[in-house]
Amino acid sequence: DQQVKQNSPSLSVQEGRISILNCDYTNSMFDYFLWYKKYPAEGPTFLISISSIKDKNEDGRFTVFLNKSAKHLSLHIVPSQPGDSAVYFCAASENNNDMRFGAGTRLTVKP
Amino acid sequence: NAGVMQNPRHLVRRRGQEARLRCSPMKGHSHVYWYRQLPEEGLKFMVYLQKENIIDESGMPKERFSAEFPKEGPSILRIQQVVRGDSAAYFCASSPQTSGRAGEQYFGPGTRLTVT
Repeated sequence: DQQVKQNSPSLSVQEGRISILNCDYTNSMFDYFLWYKKYPAEGPTFLISISSIKDKNEDGRFTVFLNKSAKHLSLHIVPSQPGDSAVYFCAASENNNDMRFGAGTRLTVKP
Repeated sequence: NAGVMQNPRHLVRRRGQEARLRCSPMKGHSHVYWYRQLPEEGLKFMVYLQKENIIDESGMPKERFSAEFPKEGPSILRIQQVVRGDSAAYFCASSPQTSGRAGEQYFGPGTRLTVT
């Protein structure tokens, strides 16, 4: 039961351009969404989150957009840097319960 | 302040053996979560523990898997009679009491289990 889907397994972007990572979910009761970044041989690290009462949250180069009617969220990274190359996981939870993760998108930022 | 520590980082077991994975949460964190990542898949929740209590084990397979978080010492994920399908990366995460289950979790580097 894949409640959180990241349909693009990989994304390649030129340094300095915008990276847009997408995530779709099926459970309309999800009320909290997070993005995690994972480097090889390391555990995921928290990046940014958004509550369902908002439609945008910004932190430096990272912005998360939430479209509840479409059950879609996206992570924008601008400008992209080579150090951003990693696997990005989208996660969602309902009523402060356990997180459900997507399969991840591997971002490659080319210098 | 050391992060979440997991050991071993790599574990090879033959079918039928037991695997023990350890997780030491961040200092001051009383909540521990275990996740499994199969190849080409996302992280799947397995179990949520607080000190000496299993709060939610809805993601744990009903047989062969168990977890504990004793008053002293690390959290242990135990897999008995391992099978090839248990080969995966197992991640532990911890959070402080105040963050809630869906709050920001701090992940360890994972243990990669290979069953031969």
